[in-house]
Amino acid sequence: DVKVTQSSRYLVKRTGEKVFLECVQDMDHENMFWYRQDPGLGLRLIYFSYDVKMKEKGDIPEGYSVSREKKERFSLILESASTNQTSMYLCASSSPSAPGTDTQYFGPGTRLTVL
Amino acid sequence: AQSVAQPEDQVNVAEGNPLTVKCTYSVSGNPYLFWYVQYPNRGLQFLLKYITGDNLVKGSYGFEAEFNKSQTSFHLKKPSALVSDSALYFCAVGGLNFNKFYFGSGTKLNVKP
Repeated sequence: DVKVTQSSRYLVKRTGEKVFLECVQDMDHENMFWYRQDPGLGLRLIYFSYDVKMKEKGDIPEGYSVSREKKERFSLILESASTNQTSMYLCASSSPSAPGTDTQYFGPGTRLTVL
Repeated sequence: AQSVAQPEDQVNVAEGNPLTVKCTYSVSGNPYLFWYVQYPNRGLQFLLKYITGDNLVKGSYGFEAEFNKSQTSFHLKKPSALVSDSALYFCAVGGLNFNKFYFGSGTKLNVKP
């Protein structure tokens, strides 16, 4: 079974802090994704990566950056956390078969609260 | 452009009754459609997908979905609901760019005993 793990289930940070969210997958997937989930808005893509050191902006990249130094690990960074970044953050991975057809596998999520 | 719509924020159904969770899509090209389920405080779990072939797709936990090209719909169904089916359900369409997905806003399913 594919396993995607996230470093924290719950995280509380203060405004202005630098925050790191870590995601690790064990299936040798090339593609990795970071989403945020907010009630009524579904999942919105922040960033994705299709290879080591490669990244692409998603729909809402402002205020975030990412790092992918190793294939299995994809980090989301909040450079200076703000209260409007309080949300559930979900990491996912997939293998690069025919575009659009491959299942994404999700981690359990990190619920981040910024005070 | 790819998008999906889930017109119902919430669906209520009695245990043992059939359930339907609606999804409509808009894509350029062939639609690749997915359903995911999210239990409280958990990540999303894959239920089923339509890529090509038979319009009726069977998935996990007794769920199935019917692809209807003329109505651009991909409704999720189950013949007999269980209380344990209560969760948040997301429809998604696979994009053509690096497996990007476009998710609907989610439908909360409440199954009452």
